[in-house]
Amino acid sequence: NAGVTQTPKFQVLKTGQSMTLQCAQDMNHEYMSWYRQDPGMGLRLIHYSVGAGITDQGEVPNGYNVSRSTTEDFPLRLLSAAPSQTSVYFCASSLVGGTMPQHFGDGTRLSIL
Amino acid sequence: SQQGEEDPQALSIQEGENATMNCSYKTSINNLQWYRQNSGRGLVHLILIRSNEREKHSGRLRVTLDTSKKSSSLLITASRAADTASYFCATDGPYKYIFGTGTRLKVLA
Repeated sequence: NAGVTQTPKFQVLKTGQSMTLQCAQDMNHEYMSWYRQDPGMGLRLIHYSVGAGITDQGEVPNGYNVSRSTTEDFPLRLLSAAPSQTSVYFCASSLVGGTMPQHFGDGTRLSIL
Repeated sequence: SQQGEEDPQALSIQEGENATMNCSYKTSINNLQWYRQNSGRGLVHLILIRSNEREKHSGRLRVTLDTSKKSSSLLITASRAADTASYFCATDGPYKYIFGTGTRLKVLA
């Protein structure tokens, strides 16, 4: 099925650990993005990419790293997990950034102890 | 900072009634989008309205846009229990989408 696939769906980490959240899309979308969703805060943009090899920071990039080596994949790395990074993370893609509808994955629920 | 602010934050109605939620934003836009999020799931795109459009329909959904007031409204007619979800507006920015904080809609059977 075409769409955005995020793995894992759930993860528990200890403070200071690192991990990578995976995101893949099979719609040949140029634009991909990562958001975090916290209660009462809506979605906040962490990083985005307008194509392979091109990434940029969003509203809340600190503590996160991204790369885009292929059109299909856009992993999000937590360098040293902190309790403040406990959140639900969503990956999304669209044909063109800012002007076209986004397709979202079902999220990764991350808890940092 | 959030560009869009939805109002109300929460809404509870009976099945068959209409539901209206509003979105206000701060800066000029090229387009505004509405998304639905069911509990535990990702967001699903509902409708996109461009800045030169005033009204758009899609099935039971009606979206209006007033660029002079920097506001949009989403009307769901003849609501169903399956419409229970959170609804978000999103405005465009340079290569970005900026989301509001959402309206939680509960439709009672």
